[in-house]
Amino acid sequence: QSVLTQPPSASGTPGQSVSFSCSGGSSNIGSNTVNWYQQRPGAAPALLIYNNDQRPSGVPDRFSGSKSGTSASLAISGLQSEDEGDYYCAAWDDTLSGPHVIFGGGTKLTVL
Amino acid sequence: VQLVESGGDSIQPGKSLRLSCATSGFTFDDYAMHWVRQRPGKGLEWVSLISWNGAYIDYADSVKGRFTIWKDTAKSALFLQMSRLRPDDTAVYFCAKGCKLGGSGGSCFSSWGQGTLVTVSS
Repeated sequence: QSVLTQPPSASGTPGQSVSFSCSGGSSNIGSNTVNWYQQRPGAAPALLIYNNDQRPSGVPDRFSGSKSGTSASLAISGLQSEDEGDYYCAAWDDTLSGPHVIFGGGTKLTVL
Repeated sequence: VQLVESGGDSIQPGKSLRLSCATSGFTFDDYAMHWVRQRPGKGLEWVSLISWNGAYIDYADSVKGRFTIWKDTAKSALFLQMSRLRPDDTAVYFCAKGCKLGGSGGSCFSSWGQGTLVTVSS
């Protein structure tokens, strides 16, 4: 069971906008930055958003991230078929047993 | 930036295995490095990290005491020694480069390898 909670699935048609949530707590999202990863089928994950809302070079501006309190969101506008895949949020978690990296369980995006 | 994992194999429970990650295209000494795994059909699970200078090392509770991470700066390579392997260690293991210059941790991984498959089964 992941400490960061993501909806297991989402879907949309080409051209639509979709958004995914990532819910955590005060020890992780509430006090650290959130990063998002895209994993296309059969491929390795790739960094999509870092430091809550920053896009690495090469990532289209159709992708945007935000954070508020202990939750974060990833939004995709102008959905394309190539956006299909799994999306994971990640954060540093300051736990009693020591800080660790934690991932959300992932959201599987289907482009209909 | 290139990260290439190797060493994955099919192995019996209780045995040991060493994974390697050969890197190129960046100054290896300047960045934290991580291992992240993905069990078949499941999500991502962080496994271990080593800071840019090797001074800080951390492990997930699920592997602490069984796995050891280290790096060879002369070879720009990252390693993961896995001991007392269990069936639930079956996964694709990715090495990943930290985002921050001089970083010691964090959850930002700017580059990933393609992964190497470890199967633990009798």
